[in-house]
Amino acid sequence: QKEVEQDPGPLSVPEGAIVSLNCTYSNSAFQYFMWYRQYSRKGPELLMYTYSSGNKEDGRFTAQVDKSSKYISLFIRDSQPSDSATYLCAMSATTAQKLVFGQGTRLTINP
Amino acid sequence: DTGVSQNPRHKITKRGQNVTFRCDPISEHNRLYWYRQTLGQGPEFLTYFQNEAQLEKSRLLSDRFSAERPKGSFSTLEIQRTEQGDSAMYLCASSPTGAKAFFGQGTRLTVV
Repeated sequence: QKEVEQDPGPLSVPEGAIVSLNCTYSNSAFQYFMWYRQYSRKGPELLMYTYSSGNKEDGRFTAQVDKSSKYISLFIRDSQPSDSATYLCAMSATTAQKLVFGQGTRLTINP
Repeated sequence: DTGVSQNPRHKITKRGQNVTFRCDPISEHNRLYWYRQTLGQGPEFLTYFQNEAQLEKSRLLSDRFSAERPKGSFSTLEIQRTEQGDSAMYLCASSPTGAKAFFGQGTRLTVV
């Protein structure tokens, strides 16, 4: 079993829809949670960074962490075609440790 | 551009040849990571430097792989005697004191 599980999709939604992306994990030591966006043949771009449990909002993006359930989510409001990309969740136990990534969810926003 | 820079962006090599990739991190970041990503998968950790010290290596990093970070600045990743299974995107990331990691655009390796 992988430490971080993420539904690979693909996920296809109409423009303007609310998108929900999720990851589950097994290592209770994880404290730092990130979401990255990756366009085809490009490097991952950091979108959201959260420490421990709670919510964080940045524009159209909201990240949620529920450590008791070992479950994290990324919500995208008013989705745009430019949001079409692969979304990767990543997490680590300390600030110095490696990131452990999910498989990535491929998202397409249809105009 | 003050982001993480990786060169080359794409490398095609014949099986059995040696290849070397370079990563220039964000200048004030003392941590540097190498990851490997295959199609349809998330990045997998290879190795980690804090300044010039290589502090952790994954089991994925076979003895054909070596990484250096002389003087704690740029880093190189060398693969000797390449195999077709080495074909992947090699990603470099740098990090300041927190957990955030900033990635370069990657080097895509194709072994033919």
